[in-house]
Amino acid sequence: QQQVKQSPQSLIVQKGGISIINCAYENTAFDYFPWYQQFPGKGPALLIAIRPDVSEKKEGRFTISFNKSAKQFSLHIMDSQPGDSATYFCAASGNTPLVFGKGTRLSVIA
Amino acid sequence: GAGVSQSPSNKVTEKGKDVELRCDPISGHTALYWYRQSLGQGLEFLIYFQGNSAPDKSGLPSDRFSAERTGGSVSTLTIQRTQQEDSAVYLCASSPSRLGAFFGQGTRLTVV
Repeated sequence: QQQVKQSPQSLIVQKGGISIINCAYENTAFDYFPWYQQFPGKGPALLIAIRPDVSEKKEGRFTISFNKSAKQFSLHIMDSQPGDSATYFCAASGNTPLVFGKGTRLSVIA
Repeated sequence: GAGVSQSPSNKVTEKGKDVELRCDPISGHTALYWYRQSLGQGLEFLIYFQGNSAPDKSGLPSDRFSAERTGGSVSTLTIQRTQQEDSAVYLCASSPSRLGAFFGQGTRLTVV
């Protein structure tokens, strides 16, 4: 059973554009939703996270939007840069270990 | 170091051999996770340690896999009688609570 569904699998965005990655979950006990960024050959790095008591969190060019009623959350990368090219994972946890989406491979082209 | 340290970084082993993978978490972190990542795939949960509580072993794929955490710090993941399908990157993460996790660089295991 896949507890967190992530889309799209891959994404190509022009430099300066907005990258949007979406995730959906079923378990209403989840109360913590982080996003991770992974470069080839490296471990995933915590990028930004949100709790369900807020609908949006912004850190620099990265924004999480959270829709509790729809059980969906998304990552927006504004002014995408070639250095943002990586694989992005959404995740969720409650009283359980973190469960991850299958990842989105983002390519930002000049 | 300040981060999660895993060793070895690469391990090549023959099918049927046992392997041990080590994880040194960030000092003071009470939670420790092991995940497995196959080529181009997501992160598959294996096992979770939280303080002195019994570990959550629900993700271990078979009884050939086991893990221990000594003294609430260093953890060892052991795979017995390795199979080719065990080839993957094994990632360890630690956390000061159940929120968030900081990953190591992983151990790339290749079973030949």
